[in-house]
Amino acid sequence: KQEVTQIPAALSVPEGENLVLNCSFTDSAIYNLQWFRQDPGKGLTSLLLIQSSQREQTSGRLNASLDKSSGRSTLYIAASQPGDSATYLCAVRPGDYKLSFGAGTTVTVRA
Amino acid sequence: NAGVTQTPKFQVLKTGQSMTLQCAQDMNHNSMYWYRQDPGMGLRLIYYSASEGTTDKGEVPNGYNVSRLNKREFSLRLESAAPSQTSVYFCASDEGYSNQPQHFGDGTRLSIL
Repeated sequence: KQEVTQIPAALSVPEGENLVLNCSFTDSAIYNLQWFRQDPGKGLTSLLLIQSSQREQTSGRLNASLDKSSGRSTLYIAASQPGDSATYLCAVRPGDYKLSFGAGTTVTVRA
Repeated sequence: NAGVTQTPKFQVLKTGQSMTLQCAQDMNHNSMYWYRQDPGMGLRLIYYSASEGTTDKGEVPNGYNVSRLNKREFSLRLESAAPSQTSVYFCASDEGYSNQPQHFGDGTRLSIL
């Protein structure tokens, strides 16, 4: 059974600092990995999807890397802003229809 | 540009009552999903429908039933609500086994007294 872990559970940084969010998974046989953002009281919004054959994906200030062999992904957010405050979740698709989610990292960016 | 729409947004039930959560997507996706989200536990899959006409159990199916009414709509039914089913329920859709992202509704916040 795929287990997905995100550490730390919460993170607080001053505005302008770079954010580094970690995701680890137990089974390296994945089809893809997705990073989501969740604002309070809202659903999840997809940020980046990394296919199993890719090492990284970038979108604006966001960059996600994937190391399948070590079972790790990292989401980098450059020059954080208060609007980046949210919960960030990673999810892996093992190779069928089902996603396995981590519990998320709640980020607070202090102005 | 609605995406995934869930109704209702909030609901309070008494133990033993039944209700149906509705979900509709307008992206012509083949696959739809129901999750529950509890504090500190991430999202857990309840049921999913890989394509119209099919449904399968996820990680936590006990106490729930689903219906894939057509390609757009996927409903979740609680036949006899229990306090342990107090949670936030999310519906999602995507192209299934593909490298396309999953899209989520805004959730239904359900409290069972």
